[in-house]
Amino acid sequence: DAGVIQSPRHEVTEMGQEVTLRCKPISGHDYLFWYRQTMMRGLELLIYFNNNVPIDDSGMPEDRFSAKMPNASFSTLKIQPSEPRDSAVYFCASSEQGRRSPLHFGNGTRLTVT
Amino acid sequence: KNQVEQSPQSLIILEGKNCTLQCNYTVSPFSNLRWYKQDTGRGPVSLTIMTFSENTKSNGRYTATLDADTKQSSLHITASQLSDSASYICVVSEGDAGNMLTFGGGTRLMVKP
Repeated sequence: DAGVIQSPRHEVTEMGQEVTLRCKPISGHDYLFWYRQTMMRGLELLIYFNNNVPIDDSGMPEDRFSAKMPNASFSTLKIQPSEPRDSAVYFCASSEQGRRSPLHFGNGTRLTVT
Repeated sequence: KNQVEQSPQSLIILEGKNCTLQCNYTVSPFSNLRWYKQDTGRGPVSLTIMTFSENTKSNGRYTATLDADTKQSSLHITASQLSDSASYICVVSEGDAGNMLTFGGGTRLMVKP
């Protein structure tokens, strides 16, 4: 398996522009998570899905952020409009059912908003 | 408030030496504790997962311990290698489903030749 695949690896955009981050989870995994990592705050959960259904989006910073999972093999995280404080590394992770199942992370998208 | 505190924040050791990283947590109800390794520019990779009844778990040169009474865990790295240079993140899972994770701030380890 190729693991969790994220695209793009790097994104540089201007304030106010729309940004879409993409994620392909590991086939057969029931859970998909979106995290944000910054030096100041570490890893923060934004939202997670179970069987394509959003379960907890309490970590989404504000209405400018939205996430979708139209099918079991694809998810997007959209920021519209983007702001400089959104600059961070965004990780997608997936896992199987079960409390002992490890998270498998993608290599992240480094977002820079100027 | 659930918290996971790691120490030290950073550590430099010489290749071949051993080291121990610490993790204290206040997460409740406890489900399991995980250690992840994150190389620069990459996503975290799982090293170990321990439940309440497990007090030690090894993965090669990595050995994690858990004391659920004192809510402390440690990650011991034996005979360090240059490739061990990374951030090590302690993560505690709460609740029955175990999906709610609280992340520590990580320990940045540098192994020098």
